Parts: sequence; C-alpha cells; structure tokens
Amino acid sequence: EAQVTQNPRYLITVTGKKLTVTCSQNMNHEYMSWYRQDPGLGLRQIYYSMNVEVTDKGDVPEGYKVSRKEKRNFPLILESPSPNQTSLYFCASSRGQGTHTQYFGPGTRLTVL
Amino acid sequence: GENVEQHPSTLSVQEGDSAVIKCTYSDSASNYFPWYKQELGKRPQLIIDIRSNVGEKKDQRIAVTLNKTAKHFSLHITETQPEDSAVYFCAASSKSNYQLIWGAGTKLIIKP
Repeated sequence: EAQVTQNPRYLITVTGKKLTVTCSQNMNHEYMSWYRQDPGLGLRQIYYSMNVEVTDKGDVPEGYKVSRKEKRNFPLILESPSPNQTSLYFCASSRGQGTHTQYFGPGTRLTVL
Repeated sequence: GENVEQHPSTLSVQEGDSAVIKCTYSDSASNYFPWYKQELGKRPQLIIDIRSNVGEKKDQRIAVTLNKTAKHFSLHITETQPEDSAVYFCAASSKSNYQLIWGAGTKLIIKP
C-alpha cells in the first residue's frame, strides 16, 4: 500500500529536550516536505527536499533541522524544542516539486511544556 | 511577498445547497492551483486541481474555476452532503521555488 508514515503520532516533551519526528514514504518520491499546522494559520512549510542530500528552507525553518540521506526518509529534528513549537506536524511527499499531488502523512501532535 | 488569501474562514450551508470558497493569489506566474480537504483529525488530501491553461475543471459535485486576469480561483461544491464537512485549503504554486503557497483554510459546516 502506497503511504507516508510518521512517528510518533503524539509526543509530549519538555523545553530543550532534543527530539526527532520520523517520516517515511514507499512511493519512490523525489520530493518531501514538512509542514506545521496551527489554528487560523493553515499549513506552513518548514523545510522541503527535492531529492537525496538536497534540502531547502520553507517559510518557518527557525528551530528545525532536517536531513535527507535516503530517498524514502525525511526526519524532522528539533534540537532544543520550545513551547512555540507546539503544533500539529505533517510530512508530505510527491513525485516532483510542489506542483504535483502531495501525499500527507497522518500527522504528529507535538506538545512542548 | 507571495501570498494566497482564502475566504471565508468559516462557511455554514444547508445540506443540499451549494458552497463556494474563493482564493486570491499574488504571483501572476503561478500556474498550478490545488484544493485539499482535511476532515476532522485526518490528513489533508487532494480533491481537485487546475492548471493555468484551463479555466474550469469538474469532478462530479466539485468544480474549480480560475480567473487568471483577476488572479483568483474558486471551489464550488454542489448538492452538499454531511461528508463534505471539513476544512478546505487552496494553494498556488510559486514560480520562484516551485513550492505551494497555502491559504489559511475554510471550515465548511453542512447543516442537516
């Protein structure tokens, strides 16, 4: 089954404790992206990757890191989480840039205390 | 900078009536305009999209229209049903980096 998976689905953590949210897709997509969703603000792009070892900042990259060492995986790293990073996070993939259908993961609800 | 404005933020319609959501974009070079639906607690999913060489596209009860001159596009849902209740997001492609610029979303409520 073609899918995008994220782990964990829910996470409560404390300020400053490093965490990683994993994202994996099995569709051999070149493009992957991370978004955060906050009430009234829609989907805001954090980072995206056009292919392996190619990443770029989105609209709200501060406080986040990403890596793309393999085509299927695109982890999101919060080195020192802060309460303003409390949000719903979605990973997405598509076969080419942003102008093709994006397939979203199930989301990760992160709370930073 | 480039942006997409989406209106209204909340739309309540009677079951069976039509719903229209409108988005305005700023980048005249945008050429791809998708609409995503997000049901409560679920992930966004593409429901329809349109490219700039087409003025209208239909898929059963949903349709999207594009006015390039005015730089706006709209989602039309006819004969609304309870399962249409969701948040709908529009987006427009950015020519500068080929990413999507997203609208803030419209919560559609279908009243029985």
